[in-house]
Amino acid sequence: DAGVIQSPRHEVTEMGQEVTLRCKPISGHDYLFWYRQTMMRGLELLIYFNNNVPIDDSGMPEDRFSAKMPNASFSTLKIQPSEPRDSAVYFCASSQTGISNQPQHFGDGTRLSIL
Amino acid sequence: AQSVTQLDSQVPVFEEAPVELRCNYSSSVSVYLFWYVQYPNQGLQLLLKYLSGSTLVKGINGFEAEFNKSQTSFHLRKPSVHISDTAEYFCAVSDLNNQGGKLIFGQGTELSVKP
Repeated sequence: DAGVIQSPRHEVTEMGQEVTLRCKPISGHDYLFWYRQTMMRGLELLIYFNNNVPIDDSGMPEDRFSAKMPNASFSTLKIQPSEPRDSAVYFCASSQTGISNQPQHFGDGTRLSIL
Repeated sequence: AQSVTQLDSQVPVFEEAPVELRCNYSSSVSVYLFWYVQYPNQGLQLLLKYLSGSTLVKGINGFEAEFNKSQTSFHLRKPSVHISDTAEYFCAVSDLNNQGGKLIFGQGTELSVKP
């Protein structure tokens, strides 16, 4: 089975530009999570969805960040406008159910650099 | 609220030596506990999990962890490491009552295995 697929793997762009990160969860998984990983803050949960509906976006740092899940097989995380401090690795993960004993399956991440 | 503390940010060890990566958690309710591994330029993979029952949990790649409720610890061990175990290791907790399977991650421990 294909795992969680993220694109692009690397993104380098200039400050002020719009950035769109994409994620395809594992088929049949009802939950999708977006994380950000930095040296300073470690792994932070930004937002998660259940059946395409955002459940908790309390980790989204500010209004410049937005996430959508138009269908069960696709989600996007947008940053507009981007800033250098947004540079990080962004991970998408999915799980089959929201039961807290179920593991999350992670994609390989998008390494974002804002110049 | 839960929190996770990984007591060592870096652990250097020689090949074939034993290793222990320490994890302590704080929670006012019962939790599930997880260890994830992150190889360079990849996402996180589940190593093992403790849900209930036996406090000694065996995972992939010869790793095991022991849940100690009185000490609120979940240390990861391997009796003999390989070069290929070089990676970052994350301890995580999830609240039993948590809807959505939100994970709280520790800051990570970088395991470096030297020949």
